[in-house]
Amino acid sequence: NAGVTQTPKFQVLKTGQSMTLQCAQDMNHEYMSWYRQDPGMGLRLIHYSVGAGITDQGEVPNGYNVSRSTTEDFPLRLLSAAPSQTSVYFCASSFSRSGNTIYFGEGSWLTVV
Amino acid sequence: SQQGEEDPQALSIQEGENATMNCSYKTSINNLQWYRQNSGRGLVHLILIRSNEREKHSGRLRVTLDTSKKSSSLLITASRAADTASYFCATNTGGFKTIFGAGTRLFVKA
Repeated sequence: NAGVTQTPKFQVLKTGQSMTLQCAQDMNHEYMSWYRQDPGMGLRLIHYSVGAGITDQGEVPNGYNVSRSTTEDFPLRLLSAAPSQTSVYFCASSFSRSGNTIYFGEGSWLTVV
Repeated sequence: SQQGEEDPQALSIQEGENATMNCSYKTSINNLQWYRQNSGRGLVHLILIRSNEREKHSGRLRVTLDTSKKSSSLLITASRAADTASYFCATNTGGFKTIFGAGTRLFVKA
């Protein structure tokens, strides 16, 4: 049972480059989300999706795009990387929006130089 | 600003002692959850307590919720070195978003 799988684990980008963080879950969860984690800041919600074809913004959406073409996949795109986007990114999923257990991926460490 | 804020930010105890972490939040909630994060790993769900519950237990974990004070506490009894991790509270107000606090870093000395 893979759960939530994120790739890549580590990535170094140059300022201005774009990239996509991949996320897939095999639990048939309808709700998926992306968080970023910075020291002393906890996890901040970037974007979330309540089902295929439906996405919405979280607390810190600027500079990121998402799409949800299938139930399983929820990629996060950095449009033009900036040093402020250096962070650890976590993809998460759950069965519903009402606060059920959230399952997290192992994280993607991104450094923008 | 964050919905949930943990206190203390860091806690260092001896193995066998109890560890208590607190979480305060600002608005009414549907439920509150506690998560654990080992260094370099993702978060793992520990326990969920609903707004109409006051206390829940799971193994060595005890969670309390006081909605009048908008606060929750996580107690880990008889701590072990393997409990060393960061602990986060997360609040859900019934909508689509679950908001996490900044976490408490627990260090259990063997």
